[in-house]
Amino acid sequence: AQKVTQAQTEISVVEKEDVTLDCVYETRDTTYYLFWYKQPPSGELVFLIRRNSFDEQNEISGRYSWNFQKSTSSFNFTITASQVVDSAVYFCALSEAGGSQGNLIFGKGTKLSVKP
Amino acid sequence: DTEVTQTPKHLVMGMTNKKSLKCEQHMGHRAMYWYKQKAKKPPELMFVYSYEKLSINESVPSRFSPECPNSSLLNLHLHALQPEDSALYLCASSQVFGTGNTGELFFGEGSRLTVL
Repeated sequence: AQKVTQAQTEISVVEKEDVTLDCVYETRDTTYYLFWYKQPPSGELVFLIRRNSFDEQNEISGRYSWNFQKSTSSFNFTITASQVVDSAVYFCALSEAGGSQGNLIFGKGTKLSVKP
Repeated sequence: DTEVTQTPKHLVMGMTNKKSLKCEQHMGHRAMYWYKQKAKKPPELMFVYSYEKLSINESVPSRFSPECPNSSLLNLHLHALQPEDSALYLCASSQVFGTGNTGELFFGEGSRLTVL
């Protein structure tokens, strides 16, 4: 069965701290895609990253970095030197190649609060 | 700024009203989606249109009626809703699977619906 687990419901940090958001997934497909989305209070889901199951290379984009480890079925997201604007709910999601179009399986989300 | 535009941003309606939510994208995407998101929950897929044809209906009640007039527009017609239908309704678009798409969805800011 497909499942995405974000064990951290809420995280609160002080500005400039580093923070890691955890994501663990379950799937039987050998081909799948993992995503992170950011949802600020305005409501829009902002796409952050996509990673396919054959590419375990970690990625860095500015203050954001992602660690994909198939051995532990994890796709963790780290924000370095957090800022108040990073405050949002972050969703990890899974899409299976054998699944139906657009059916992203979301985790329950992690609410990140960055205080000045 | 999001490239998926949704109107209205807020809607309050009675249980006997008929209203519509509208979504527009100009990214050339041929797949469009409606998701429903209750407070503090992840989004849930409702409908998928591929090439302007309804391809997925996730067992949504008939009081929600989707329509895709052309490749850029997606509507959600609402009739005889219940208070429990109050939620954020998110529209998204993407390329269609099989054309190099890996499931990356672009979301609008959502329409926040309150049913009295």
